[in-house]
Amino acid sequence: DVKVTQSSRYLVKRTGEKVFLECVQDMDHENMFWYRQDPGLGLRLIYFSYDVKMKEKGDIPEGYSVSREKKERFSLILESASTNQTSMYLCASSFSYGGQAKNIQYFGAGTRLSVL
Amino acid sequence: SQQGEEDPQALSIQEGENATMNCSYKTSINNLQWYRQNSGRGLVHLILIRSNEREKHSGRLRVTLDTSKKSSSLLITASRAADTASYFCATDNSGGFKTIFGAGTRLFVKA
Repeated sequence: DVKVTQSSRYLVKRTGEKVFLECVQDMDHENMFWYRQDPGLGLRLIYFSYDVKMKEKGDIPEGYSVSREKKERFSLILESASTNQTSMYLCASSFSYGGQAKNIQYFGAGTRLSVL
Repeated sequence: SQQGEEDPQALSIQEGENATMNCSYKTSINNLQWYRQNSGRGLVHLILIRSNEREKHSGRLRVTLDTSKKSSSLLITASRAADTASYFCATDNSGGFKTIFGAGTRLFVKA
């Protein structure tokens, strides 16, 4: 089974802190994604990466950065956390090839971040 | 931008009944997927239907796709309390990098 592991289930941080959210996948997937999920808004893509050291902005990248130094690990960084970044953060991964298989994303359990 | 929009936003049924959720989208797609999310957890892929398919089955799940109406439906037959979750449709029209998720339908199945 594909496993996508997010380092924390719950996190409480203070405004202005630098926050690191870590995600590791064990299926040798090329693509990795970070989403945030807010009630009524569904999932919104923050950043994605299709290869090591490669990154692409999603729909809402402002206030976030990412790092992918190894294929299995994709980190989301909040440079200076703000209260409007309180949300559920979901990491996902997928293959880059394989017909339909490349469209299926595998998700971690999520990190619920509260910024006070 | 939100591509898929689910309807209804919430649905409450009795165990054993069928549950139908609908998804509408705006632009042409390569495929459409349905995912499930249990409360406070990540999403789990349920089924994928390609743009040239009209219907697909997986166990108690039946998905239909009408590309002329830009809509899809997910039918869960003989629902169980364990089916209680949020269900999301997701569309892909750009090679799989930017799958776009709707806001979801919350399904509650009463035992």
